[in-house]
Amino acid sequence: GQNIDQPTEMTATEGAIVQINCTYQTSGFNGLFWYQQHAGEAPTFLSYNVLDGLEEKGRFSSFLSRSKGYSYLLLKELQMKDSASYLCAVRDSNYQLIWGAGTKLIIKP
Amino acid sequence: TAGITQAPTSQILAAGRSMTLRCTQDMRHNAMYWYRQDLGLGLRLIHYSNTAGTTGKGEVPDGYSVSRANTDDFPLTLASAVPSQTSVYFCASSSSSAGELFFGEGSRLTVL
Repeated sequence: GQNIDQPTEMTATEGAIVQINCTYQTSGFNGLFWYQQHAGEAPTFLSYNVLDGLEEKGRFSSFLSRSKGYSYLLLKELQMKDSASYLCAVRDSNYQLIWGAGTKLIIKP
Repeated sequence: TAGITQAPTSQILAAGRSMTLRCTQDMRHNAMYWYRQDLGLGLRLIHYSNTAGTTGKGEVPDGYSVSRANTDDFPLTLASAVPSQTSVYFCASSSSSAGELFFGEGSRLTVL
């Protein structure tokens, strides 16, 4: 079956760096997405990786290794507003998105 | 910019009643999706539409139906609601089946 694994919850300190990991087993691969979801709100797009390597976008970076079925989202200079759930999703060979359950990130002052 | 609008925002429904969740987008996106989100689970696809006039079943389609009469609207109907359909429902759209998804604000449905 298809599966996306990511930690349920992580805690980090304001101003620090945190890495959220995502491993996947899917039938085919057509890209990996990271979304941010604040409590009670809709998910919003953060990043997209389809080739191996690092994509940087301001304080957020996302890395992909297709051979290892692995990605991470790196958040730098953490701010309180970064407290949210981070969702990893993989597009499979049928172009359907398979979603992880999300990682709840708690930022402490 | 409105993006995707869902209605209602929340609803309490008696078991056995029917309900239609509305979704409208103004981005002229071809693809539209309905997901449900439950605590501890990833977003699960209910139904999708790659273009107006076509629909497909997702991972959890039972008890739900959709229609796509035009590009902008993609309503989700529960014919006879059951308590297990208590969830937060998100409508989403993308310019193509390979593009990023844009989500509506969600509809919280409670079936008693």
